[in-house]
Amino acid sequence: AQRVTQPEKLLSVFKGAPVELKCNYSYSGSPELFWYVQYSRQRLQLLLRHISRESIKGFTADLNKGETSFHLKKPFAQEEDSAMYYCALRNTGGFKTIFGAGTRLFVKA
Amino acid sequence: KAGVTQTPRYLIKTRGQQVTLSCSPISGHRSVSWYQQTPGQGLQFLFEYFSETQRNKGNFPGRFSGRQFSNSRSEMNVSTLELGDSALYLCASSLGQSSDTQYFGPGTRLTVL
Repeated sequence: AQRVTQPEKLLSVFKGAPVELKCNYSYSGSPELFWYVQYSRQRLQLLLRHISRESIKGFTADLNKGETSFHLKKPFAQEEDSAMYYCALRNTGGFKTIFGAGTRLFVKA
Repeated sequence: KAGVTQTPRYLIKTRGQQVTLSCSPISGHRSVSWYQQTPGQGLQFLFEYFSETQRNKGNFPGRFSGRQFSNSRSEMNVSTLELGDSALYLCASSLGQSSDTQYFGPGTRLTVL
């Protein structure tokens, strides 16, 4: 069964500290993995996807197939990074997206 | 380009009634997906439509149905509402390939009394 697990409901860090939001997935195949973000009073929006291998707003995420993980990282957190972050999986060639429960990141001044 | 729009934004219904929610995708997008968001279950996939055809559906009872029109606008319907159907219903549109970015609407907040 397809499943996405985000073990932390809330993550609180100080500004300037490194941040890592964990995501583990369960899927028997080659999934497409995404991180979505929802800032306060804004719509859910795509942050980054594993196939792009790019850095967005200083965030990066590496797909580790051995550990079935797709953790989101940023070396120096900023207050404006405070938001709800969702890890999501889409089956290759499929049209169904499975979301994790989400992690609320709070960056303290 | 205008974003994804959903109507109505808020809705209050009573148990046993039915409801229809509407989603207008970004111009040129042919895929519309629907999700239910609740505090307990998070974001759950309902179904996805492309060119008026349902390509995939989630694990929801038959009371939840949807359709897509030739202009790519989509509607979802929930019949015989239950208290547990209270949720934020989100739709997302994309060009249609599985790797394409999904753009989300603001959601319709449904409250069932």
